Amino acid sequence: EVQLLESGGGLVQPGGSLRLSCVVSGFTFDNYAMSWVRQAPGKGLEWVADISGSGADTYYADSVKGRFTISRDNSKNTLYLKTYSLRAEDTAVYYCATRPSGSYFESWGQGTLVTVSS
Amino acid sequence: QTVVTQEPSFSVSPGGTVTLTCGLTSGSVSTGYYPTWYQQTPGQAPRTLIYSTNTRSSGVPDRFSGSILGNKAALTITGAQADDESDYYCVLYMSGGSWVFGGGTKLTVL
Repeated sequence: EVQLLESGGGLVQPGGSLRLSCVVSGFTFDNYAMSWVRQAPGKGLEWVADISGSGADTYYADSVKGRFTISRDNSKNTLYLKTYSLRAEDTAVYYCATRPSGSYFESWGQGTLVTVSS
Repeated sequence: QTVVTQEPSFSVSPGGTVTLTCGLTSGSVSTGYYPTWYQQTPGQAPRTLIYSTNTRSSGVPDRFSGSILGNKAALTITGAQADDESDYYCVLYMSGGSWVFGGGTKLTVL
């Protein structure tokens, strides 16, 4: 069974940083690209970042480019999102998702809440 | 700025058929955008329904179907049930490795 478990969310002040993690099991991690998708309270879904199976290729939404870094450790079956210079508008539940050979997000974790507030 | 459009809300009667759409403010949606549909209930993670326009994800009942209708992607629910009451999101793949979600459609079954 595919499982994804996010962690690392919490309350952070504007301008602060957090590192989110997503530990996966039930599939061969390095065979899959992975993405982070977020959802602000009461709002819709927003794609944030994507990384290839090897980690060599990364992509970012314009809203986070230069402030967020996606990475992975295939030896630990773990995906990361390092967030810097956080703003109030970054407040959201952050989901990690698998992206199999194709252009869609297949399996999702339950999410971790990031709240940016003073 | 690419904007993906969806109906903000829709209602359907139990047993009825409803078609939700996913368009672009500029241009037409084609299979090359790999339109994908997700269902989400409050407090839950999204669930993949349809990917690559019309392929049902594992375990999704065949009353959910995807297509291209005119210049939009479409999700059709045939024989709507009470537990289909959810938010539905489409997402389109943009060249260069990015994805844009629509604003979502809140479906009411009543």
